[in-house]
Amino acid sequence: EPEVTQTPSHQVTQMGQEVILRCVPISNHLYFYWYRQILGQKVEFLVSFYNNEISEKSEIFDDQFSVERPDGSNFTLKIRSTKLEDSAMYFCASSSQTPFTGELFFGEGSRLTVL
Amino acid sequence: DQQVKQNSPSLSVQEGRISILNCDYTNSMFDYFLWYKKYPAEGPTFLISISSIKDKNEDGRFTVFLNKSAKHLSLHIVPSQPGDSAVYFCAAPNRGSQGNLIFGKGTKLSVKP
Repeated sequence: EPEVTQTPSHQVTQMGQEVILRCVPISNHLYFYWYRQILGQKVEFLVSFYNNEISEKSEIFDDQFSVERPDGSNFTLKIRSTKLEDSAMYFCASSSQTPFTGELFFGEGSRLTVL
Repeated sequence: DQQVKQNSPSLSVQEGRISILNCDYTNSMFDYFLWYKKYPAEGPTFLISISSIKDKNEDGRFTVFLNKSAKHLSLHIVPSQPGDSAVYFCAAPNRGSQGNLIFGKGTKLSVKP
C-alpha cells in the first residue's frame, strides 16, 4: 500500500539552527500538507501546497517557515532559525481529493527537539 | 478557540464490548466530520467520515453518529478488539479551507483482553 514517508524520524538541534524536514508524498497525490503536534497538545495545521505554491497557511506558519517541492517527489519544510517552542512532532500529509474533505494520508512524523 | 472538543482523554473497554468515543463541536458550518486513529510512533490514519447532511455512517465495526442539533458526534466500535487500542481524533475541515483540518485533543482507547 502506498504511503507517505518522512525523514528524519528524529532530529535534535540547537536553538537558532536551520532545520529541513523531508517528505515523500504518495506518488499520484497533488495536494501536500504539513501539520505539527506539540507534546500534549492538538494536531495543528501549518500549511497546504498545490501546484508548486502555498494554498493556505496558518498563523503558526510565519516567516521562519518555508516549504518547497524541489523535485518531482520530495516535499520539504524548512525552519530557518529554530526556537525552543518549535519542538514538536511534524507530520507531512498528502491527498488526491478536491475539494478538501479532510481525508489525508499522513506520514509517521519527524520529531524535532530544539535545545 | 476549541472548535472541536473531545472531553474524555481516555477510555477503557473490555474486549468484545462496545467502545463509544464522543466529540463536540462549536462551528455549525462544518460540512464533514472525520475520525482518525493514531498508534504510537505513527501518523494519524483516516478511519471514517460523515457528511453534515447525514446522521449515520457505518463501515464494518465502526459507526459514526452525528447529532447536528446537539453539535455532537460519536464513534462506536463494536465489538472492540485489543488492536483498536489507540488514540482517536475527531476532526473537521474548516469550511472553504484548502487544508486546515481542525483536530480535537484525542481520546486514548484501551481495549483489554
